[in-house]
Formats: sequence, structure tokens, C-alpha cells
Amino acid sequence: NAGVMQNPRHLVRRRGQEARLRCSPMKGHSHVYWYRQLPEEGLKFMVYLQKENIIDESGMPKERFSAEFPKEGPSILRIQQVVRGDSAAYFCASSSTAGDTTDTQYFGPGTRLTVL
Amino acid sequence: QQQVKQSPQSLIVQKGGISIINCAYENTAFDYFPWYQQFPGKGPALLIAIRPDVSEKKEGRFTISFNKSAKQFSLHIMDSQPGDSATYFCACPGGGNKLTFGTGTQLKVEL
Repeated sequence: NAGVMQNPRHLVRRRGQEARLRCSPMKGHSHVYWYRQLPEEGLKFMVYLQKENIIDESGMPKERFSAEFPKEGPSILRIQQVVRGDSAAYFCASSSTAGDTTDTQYFGPGTRLTVL
Repeated sequence: QQQVKQSPQSLIVQKGGISIINCAYENTAFDYFPWYQQFPGKGPALLIAIRPDVSEKKEGRFTISFNKSAKQFSLHIMDSQPGDSATYFCACPGGGNKLTFGTGTQLKVEL
């Protein structure tokens, strides 16, 4: 049973470019979460999605960041016009269809974004 | 916004010793408190979790102690091994389905 998959694992962008991060949840999971981890810090919640719906985006910056989880295909976290402060590890997690607060969130290996 | 205070920031323990990491949380009506383990370059992995209807949960060498009245919970790693060297995060439900994480504890187990 494959775990949460993320790609790319490492992404380098120059300031002003766009970054696209992909996440495929575990098989059978329809709830996806994105978290950001700055160096030497804990994970910060960004957004929670179900298929074709954004449920909670309270942790997303208001500008340049967007997320989607289409009916088919992976979830995408998109960062437009990247700045150096966007450099971080971005983790995706998924949970089962129950969507309960007690559901275990399983994390992927992360995408490490570096903005030059 | 739920806040979680985790301590210590770093910890060095001798092989065979006990590692203790503490977390304190604010008001919550939720019922799930997980601990995650993260190795360098990897994603966090669920280590152990507790519901507040019990005061302690043990899985192998890992034990969570939960004090609901004090709004604190702690992770104990018995017989610590070099392979336990990692960063440990506590987490609380942050409202809805999201998790609020502590700032992490870097554990190093020395031979």
C-alpha cells in the first residue's frame, strides 16, 4: 500500500517564477492537508481539501498561494511569483474518508522549495 | 488559534536512558493528541497518539502521559537508543480537521 507521494522532492525556483507542488494521497484517502515547515520550526497548517472542495484555507497566505484537489489526479499547491521567504519544506498529509478530527494524518516525504 | 508549547527544544540522552518531552496546550474540546517523529529529510510519521479518556498509553518503549486538568501531555521514551535520534513533534487538533504542531524537540541519543 503506497504511502502519500509528493513530487518533486526538491524544487529550485528564481524569484518571480511559479512553483507547483504535487501530492497524491494514500489509496482510499479523500482528505488532503498541506503544511509548511520553515527551517528549525514546526509544521504550520496551510489548507485542507477534499475532492473538488477547499474546506479550510485559514493558513494560506492571501496572495500568490492557491491549492486544488481535482476529481482526478493529485492535489496541487501553487505558489505564484515566488519570493525568498517561500523557501521551506512543504508537506502533504492525507486521512481516510471519515474526515474525523481523530483520523490519523499520514505525511508524505515533502517538497523542499528553494528560491534563489 | 490553538497554541501548543513544547519543551525542551533539544535533548541529549545517554543510550539506555529515559527521554522526556513535554507539551502544553490551550483550551480544547477535542479528543486526539498525537506525537510525530521526523528524521532529517523525511516527512513526519505518527509515533503514538492518545485520547483524553485515558491518562496513559504505552506502545513498546514509547509512553504518552496525559493530564487533562493541567492541559499537558508528555512523551516518554524508555531505554533510548541511537536510532531514536530524531525530531519529535506533539500536535493538537487546531479546530476543524487541522493539526497544530509544537515547535519540535531534537533528540540525540549518545552511545
